[in-house]
Amino acid sequence: DIQMTQSPSSLSASVGDRVTITCRASQTISSFLNWYQQKPGKAPKLLIYGASNLQSGVPSRFTGSGSGTDFTLTITSLQPEDFATYYCQQNYNTPLTFGPGTKLEIK
Amino acid sequence: QVQLVQSGAEVKKPGASVKISCKASGYIFTSYAIHWVRQAPGQQRLEWMGWIIGGNGNTKYSQKFQGRATISRDTSASTVYMDLSSLTSEDTAAYYCARELGITVAGTGGFWGQGTLVTVSS
Repeated sequence: DIQMTQSPSSLSASVGDRVTITCRASQTISSFLNWYQQKPGKAPKLLIYGASNLQSGVPSRFTGSGSGTDFTLTITSLQPEDFATYYCQQNYNTPLTFGPGTKLEIK
Repeated sequence: QVQLVQSGAEVKKPGASVKISCKASGYIFTSYAIHWVRQAPGQQRLEWMGWIIGGNGNTKYSQKFQGRATISRDTSASTVYMDLSSLTSEDTAAYYCARELGITVAGTGGFWGQGTLVTVSS
């Protein structure tokens, strides 16, 4: 199975800040990498697919980059609604696997 | 618009089985795969259980759930089911169904159900 790791595990930031979350795969996955946002008690929401493609309706302050084994999610100009947990997920092969999550909290 | 509506919360005893439903609407049901993903309490890591392919209804499971989970569908009701047997306390989790984003983006959960909490307790 492909193992996914994320850093940091948690992050404190202020409204208006720029933050970057990193995801690493245990083997190359090309660009088969998705990012999700999840708020407590809610289902995950797709933000980015194919490493860098913005899902319809997602604000342009979210950007994804990377290929191979190393990927990043960047959020520019944080908004109050962005404070949530973020997960990366590989869809290179099955079993599909997720990172452990990065909890973004208000400073 | 695409909607996935799951069945309600369940409380089960160890050793029992649970069957969760996921009713789809807003698209051609057989055109897209549906995945099942679970998450232990406390927003733990999401865990993929398996999927049912849209066209022919073939299924594939994570090795961890092979033999214990069964994903099926009723095309006349546009509903997918996930049956999990031999429950233990480790199976206490929120269970989500998720539809593929698109035919060319396999393995991407573009649309999600609201989740079904399954509690296993004696």
